[in-house]
Amino acid sequence: QSALTQPPSASGSPGQSVIISCTGTSSDVGAYNYVSWYQHHPGKAPKLLIYEVTQRPSGVSDRFSGSKSGSTASLTVSGLQAEDEADYYCSSYAGSDTYLFGTGTKISVV
Amino acid sequence: EVQLVQSGAEVKKPGESLKISCQGSGYYFTRYWIGWARLMPGKGLDYLGIIYPGDSDVRYNPSFRGQISISADKSISTAYLHWNSLKASDSGIYYCFRRGSLWSAGFDPWGPGTLVTVSS
Repeated sequence: QSALTQPPSASGSPGQSVIISCTGTSSDVGAYNYVSWYQHHPGKAPKLLIYEVTQRPSGVSDRFSGSKSGSTASLTVSGLQAEDEADYYCSSYAGSDTYLFGTGTKISVV
Repeated sequence: EVQLVQSGAEVKKPGESLKISCQGSGYYFTRYWIGWARLMPGKGLDYLGIIYPGDSDVRYNPSFRGQISISADKSISTAYLHWNSLKASDSGIYYCFRRGSLWSAGFDPWGPGTLVTVSS
């Protein structure tokens, strides 16, 4: 099983929107609506942003939204803020009681 | 408040054994799965496996089966990740996380991580 593919980096100016892709296969992202997204500031615990492709846990800003088309999921960060500068990882259930994480994307706010 | 507290950083030599821990608080420990993930320097996250402390049902990522062991002691609300014989390539930051009953549920919250360094 290979990791899900994410672009290594993405950037935007404050107030802009950034979209991160997460590409898998018909056996993981394409097979299940069990995609989640995590924000990770180095040195801190990762934080759940999105689960079940589009669902936001309580307390997570509505500037974060998720979607999926075929075997590619996406995370949109709207109204970019300096605090959004972090690493972002997607995850998908991959069947056989296991999960895959994405390769990670570093968002820079320039 | 739901919290996962992990044991401190470890420095080990290749071939040594190691057990790191993750203690949950603020919720019914036996009703949620506890999983483990690894973050290696310059690389992304790897999913290692997950345990249901209620009955110690463990599901390993096939890529890591045989390399690690996951266990739990529900009497002290603690899950463990164990190596019998460490390799230098096991170096990294290890995170535990909580997951609900459904495989669709996200991982929330996460522990702060345990840094494991394996070097001769």
